[in-house]
Parts: sequence; C-alpha cells; structure tokens
Amino acid sequence: EIVMTQSPATLSVSPGERATLSCRASQSVSSNLAWYQQKPGQAPRLLIYGASTRATGIPARFSGSGSGTEFTLTISSLQSEDFAVYYCQQYNNWPRRLTFGPGTKVDIK
Amino acid sequence: QLQLQESGPGLVKPSETLSLTCTVSGGSISSSSYYWGWIRQPPGKGLEWIGSIYYSGSTYYNPSLKSRVTISVDTSKNQFSLKLSSVTAADTAVYYCAKYLGSSWYSHYYYYGMDVWGQGTTVTVSS
Repeated sequence: EIVMTQSPATLSVSPGERATLSCRASQSVSSNLAWYQQKPGQAPRLLIYGASTRATGIPARFSGSGSGTEFTLTISSLQSEDFAVYYCQQYNNWPRRLTFGPGTKVDIK
Repeated sequence: QLQLQESGPGLVKPSETLSLTCTVSGGSISSSSYYWGWIRQPPGKGLEWIGSIYYSGSTYYNPSLKSRVTISVDTSKNQFSLKLSSVTAADTAVYYCAKYLGSSWYSHYYYYGMDVWGQGTTVTVSS
C-alpha cells in the first residue's frame, strides 16, 4: 500500500507571497499525482493532474512539479481566495486504489 | 454543464446500512469517457476514496471498506448509488460523489483526477 504524506501540516503565508507545498509517496507513483484545493464547507476542486498539468480553468499561479516519490505544488503569489486546504492524491494503482494525502492547510500570516 | 447531487438520509443507526444516491444532470452517466466515484470526509479530517463505478457496472472498492461497500449504477435514471453496511460512528462523514476526468483508449481507461464534485451530504451514524 502506498502511503502519502504532506508537509507542512500548516503553512502560514502573507498575501502576495509564494507558497510551496510538499507531497511525498512511500514508493514511486511515477507522475500519477493530482492536487486538490478545498475551502471550508465546499467540495474539493481539482487543480493539477499528471503531477504538472493544470486542470481546466485553474490560474497559472498554480504549478505542480515532481515525479517518483517527491512532488511540489507552488502558488506563485497567494491571493485571498487561495487560503484553503490542499490535498495530493496518487493514482498509480488505478483502478484498484486511489489514495489522498492528509492535506496542508494554507492560512493567512 | 455537468452537475452532481447527492441525496439520502442524514441519520443512520449503528449496524444499519447507509444508502446514498448521486444524480447526474447536464450529461449522460453512460458516457464511455467517465468513471464515477464516492469519497467521504469525516468531521475535521481528510478525504477517503470509497469506490468507483463505470456505466457498464464495473466497480472498484477501497480495500479497507470492500467488505461493506456496494456501488451500483442506474443508467435509466442517470444515477449511481452507494450502500455501506454495518455502519458505526466511524462512518460519520460528509459523503461526496464525483466524476472522474480521464480518457478511454481501447479497453483501458486513463484516470487523471476527480473534476466534478457534488456539494456533499452529511451522514451521521447515531442511535
């Protein structure tokens, strides 16, 4: 079973600053990784898939990188609407298993 | 624009079966381009994938829940459903249905992510 970890658990950032979130897999998932954003009381929103491809309608300030076991989500200049929880999800075992990381909360510094 | 809506009881007694339905509008559940799934989120916690279904009826379940989960599809109603048996307080969560983003090539489906979600429905397990 592939275990996903995310760091830090909470990231405090000022508006306009850069945010870097990490996601690690316990074994290689190649580029089979997605990122989601979830705001309080809302369903998650797909941001990135294939480790680095932005989903439809996602602003260019969101970028993903990495492969294998180490992945990064970067928000280049945080906007007020970007304060949320971010989850990574591996799908290397598709269709038999889809696994989410525990999440990183990005809050206002 | 494709939309999903969960429905079902908000309160279920321990040991009973949780039953939820996801109604798809603005598109066909029978599209070969889509898989569908259920995901849950306990209060204050992260996301847990429950299972997936294709319009043909092919299903895949989270191994940790497999013995208690059944997901089915009703193409005539453009709906798919979740049944979770023998529930306990640990099954209390917001339950989401979702459409998967992907592509179908010959007999293989390439998954990319969950790009359309329902608003979620809260299910509490309590006597």
